[in-house]
Amino acid sequence: DIQMTQSPSSLSASVGDRVTITCRASQSISIYLNWYQQNPGKAPKLLIYTASNLHSGVPSRFSGSGSGTDFTLTISSLQPEDFATYYCQQGYSTPQTFGQGTRVEI
Amino acid sequence: QVQLQESGPGVVKPSQTLSLTCTVSGASISSRGIYYWSWLRQPAGKGLEWIGHIYTRGSANYNPSLKSRVTISADTSKNQFSLKLTSVTAADTAVYFCARMPGERSGFDPWGQGTLVIVSS
Repeated sequence: DIQMTQSPSSLSASVGDRVTITCRASQSISIYLNWYQQNPGKAPKLLIYTASNLHSGVPSRFSGSGSGTDFTLTISSLQPEDFATYYCQQGYSTPQTFGQGTRVEI
Repeated sequence: QVQLQESGPGVVKPSQTLSLTCTVSGASISSRGIYYWSWLRQPAGKGLEWIGHIYTRGSANYNPSLKSRVTISADTSKNQFSLKLTSVTAADTAVYFCARMPGERSGFDPWGQGTLVIVSS
């Protein structure tokens, strides 16, 4: 299985901050990396697919980059509704695997 | 707008079989496009685990870690797909989600709201 490692595991930030979360794959996954946002008690929501494509309806303050083994999710100006847990997921090979999550706290 | 909804028992006894159904609205699970109808789970306070999916003409793939215990099937007449997990233990206690994957390497979207299954006697 491909292991996905996110960093940091948690971070504290303020409204308006620029936030960056990284995700590293244990082997090359090309661009097949997706990002999700999950609020407590809710299902994850797709934010970014294939590394850098913004999912429909997702605010433009979210962006993704990377290829191969190293990927980044950036929130350009943190909003109150962005305080949540973020997960990366590789779709390169079965089984699809997720990072352990990054909790963004106030 | 595609929507998914999980249903099934909230409590299952150890060693028994967990059975869940996902009802899909707004799309046909037997439509021509290749969609992967998936099951995932999340133990409380932990990360996400892909269980498996079913796709064209009933083909299925499973997570090797669960493969010996998992079956995913589809009922196209009801526009539903189902999960069966045998010989459950406390480690199978989790919120179970169904989701659609529009392509083999794409992201999961949309998701059902999730259903909590507790394995307990």
